[in-house]
Amino acid sequence: EIVMTQSPATLSVSPGERATLSCRASQSVSINLAWYQQKPGQAPRLLIYGASTRAPGIPASFSGSGSGTQFTLTISSLQSEDFAVYHCQQYNDWPPTFGQGTKVEIK
Amino acid sequence: QLQLQESGPGLVKPSETLSLTCSVSGGSITTSSYYWGWLRQPPGKGLEWIGSAFYTGSTYYTPSLKSRITISVDTSRNQFSLSLSSVTAADTAVYYCARLPGELFTWFDPWGQGTLVTVPS
Repeated sequence: EIVMTQSPATLSVSPGERATLSCRASQSVSINLAWYQQKPGQAPRLLIYGASTRAPGIPASFSGSGSGTQFTLTISSLQSEDFAVYHCQQYNDWPPTFGQGTKVEIK
Repeated sequence: QLQLQESGPGLVKPSETLSLTCSVSGGSITTSSYYWGWLRQPPGKGLEWIGSAFYTGSTYYTPSLKSRITISVDTSRNQFSLSLSSVTAADTAVYYCARLPGELFTWFDPWGQGTLVTVPS
């Protein structure tokens, strides 16, 4: 199965700053990659699919890019509600697999 | 707005069977093209897909758990269920149900709130 590796494990960012999260696949997944946001005690929420398509209702401050094995989630200006754990998931190959997550915390 | 809610016991003894139900509201579980899935997240670890099912009974299971899993759909109650047999402490996790906008190669949206299941060692 495809192994997804996210970095860094924890990212400390000040409110209003830009956050850049990385996700790497052990083999090409084309653009079949999704990003989720998870707050403590809550379910994961779909942010991005198709590597760069925002899900309905997701603000434009969230953007995804990349293809093949290297992907990036960018949060342009962090708001208080954006501090959470972010997961990437590939769905190019079966079974679908997730990264370990990146925690974005307040600096 | 579609909502999913997991229910079931929070504590299961080793070697017994874990049984969870996901109730779907705000939409029909028989809507064509949507699959329904289960995932889990062990404490301190990443998310893991367990399996998915279509309302007709078609199912897909992750290879590592295939021998112990059954996912079924109850269209009359708009619910689907997970059964995981012969549990061990390694099956301790938060279990989520979710909708899949497709059969196999797709993402998960939306998700239920999740329910913690503990298997004591």
